[in-house]
Amino acid sequence: DGGITQSPKYLFRKEGQNVTLSCEQNLNHDAMYWYRQDPGQGLRLIYYSQIVNDFQKGDIAEGYSVSREKKESFPLTVTSAQKNPTAFYLCASEMDTRGNQPQHFGDGTRLSIL
Amino acid sequence: AQSVSQHNHHVILSEAASLELGCNYSYGGTVNLFWYVQYPGQHLQLLLKYFSGDPLVKGIKGFEAEFIKSKFSFNLRKPSVQWSDTAEYFCAVAANYGGSQGNLIFGKGTKLSVKP
Repeated sequence: DGGITQSPKYLFRKEGQNVTLSCEQNLNHDAMYWYRQDPGQGLRLIYYSQIVNDFQKGDIAEGYSVSREKKESFPLTVTSAQKNPTAFYLCASEMDTRGNQPQHFGDGTRLSIL
Repeated sequence: AQSVSQHNHHVILSEAASLELGCNYSYGGTVNLFWYVQYPGQHLQLLLKYFSGDPLVKGIKGFEAEFIKSKFSFNLRKPSVQWSDTAEYFCAVAANYGGSQGNLIFGKGTKLSVKP
């Protein structure tokens, strides 16, 4: 089955620790996205990548970093600089941004502070 | 800057009631419009989308939405809801740059609870 796989499903972070959330897609999509979902806030864009080896900051990139070394993978690192990391993180992909396409979403990772 | 407003935070209905969830956006140009649904414990799924053409679009599970350009609105409707429609619904808008799509901007979501 083609889709987006996020892991782990639940993640706990200690103070001062960096943690990395995995996102893999086998849809052969060019574009990938990371969103943060907080109750009552909807989805807010953290980072996005339209092509391998390129990525752009979204609306709330501070305290996060990403890499896009392979087309199918777009890991998100939540650094110790992110002071309020507790949230539900969603990864999405889109065929490309040259046409009208919907985004496909993974099942999410819930990050909590220990 | 673009923004999306969903008017209702939480809607509670009985089964068979009709549903209308409001969505307004602020962007003066051409837009692509989406409704996504997130059932409890599941990932976001596309419910329906509008890119061009007939402003009344039909999606999965009996949902439809109407794009009213003059009102910058894309309200979601269903004539008769079921308990299984209990979920959170997100409206999203992307700028359409002559066929090339900008980033999605999401509304804050509306929780729908359907009482059996």
